Amino acid sequence: RKEVEQDPGPFNVPEGATVAFNCTYSNSASQSFFWYRQDCRKEPKLLMSVYSSGNEDGRFTAQLNRASQYISLLIRDSKLSDSATYLCVVNRNLLDSNYQLIWGAGTKLIIKP
Amino acid sequence: NAGVTQTPKFQVLKTGQSMTLQCAQDMNHEYMSWYRQDPGMGLRLIHYSVGAGITDQGEVPNGYNVSRSTTEDFPLRLLSAAPSQTSVYFCASSYSTGAGNTIYFGEGSWLTVV
Repeated sequence: RKEVEQDPGPFNVPEGATVAFNCTYSNSASQSFFWYRQDCRKEPKLLMSVYSSGNEDGRFTAQLNRASQYISLLIRDSKLSDSATYLCVVNRNLLDSNYQLIWGAGTKLIIKP
Repeated sequence: NAGVTQTPKFQVLKTGQSMTLQCAQDMNHEYMSWYRQDPGMGLRLIHYSVGAGITDQGEVPNGYNVSRSTTEDFPLRLLSAAPSQTSVYFCASSYSTGAGNTIYFGEGSWLTVV
């Protein structure tokens, strides 16, 4: 089993719809969780951190389910500009450092007009 | 607003050639790193540095060298290029090593080894 797994997609979603995707992780000791966004042939950029209590940033909501070991990203009222690949990032262990991060392969989202 | 700058953007190498990917950041970040990104795989850490004069190996260090003589610069050297090193390379930096620190990436270098 991969340490971090994501459905590669693509998720084809009409503009204005709500879309959600999950990311599962294998290490129950993981403490830090993030979603990064990567546009085609561009660099990844931080979208949001994922907190234990869940967090929201505008149309984006991130949740953590420790019992089932997954994080989720929900996008409401999707825009054409949301089309991108969403990377799930989890720290490998209790040593909560940037060089212990595991990067998922990403979920591709395509928003259609 | 330069952030993280890496060059070249595109490079084609012949097997056995060596080259250096340059990376510079102007944010006075302690932590710098190099990743490679291959289709269907997550970013994989090649080497990283927690400060000037300090470097360490990541997950996939073989075939690569790094040095960190200044806070700003962190070049990646391919010693003897192999087709398996065909990939997209990203240089990255963050304020410090804590996982809560946002990682800022360069625009990427597309490398093809023939």
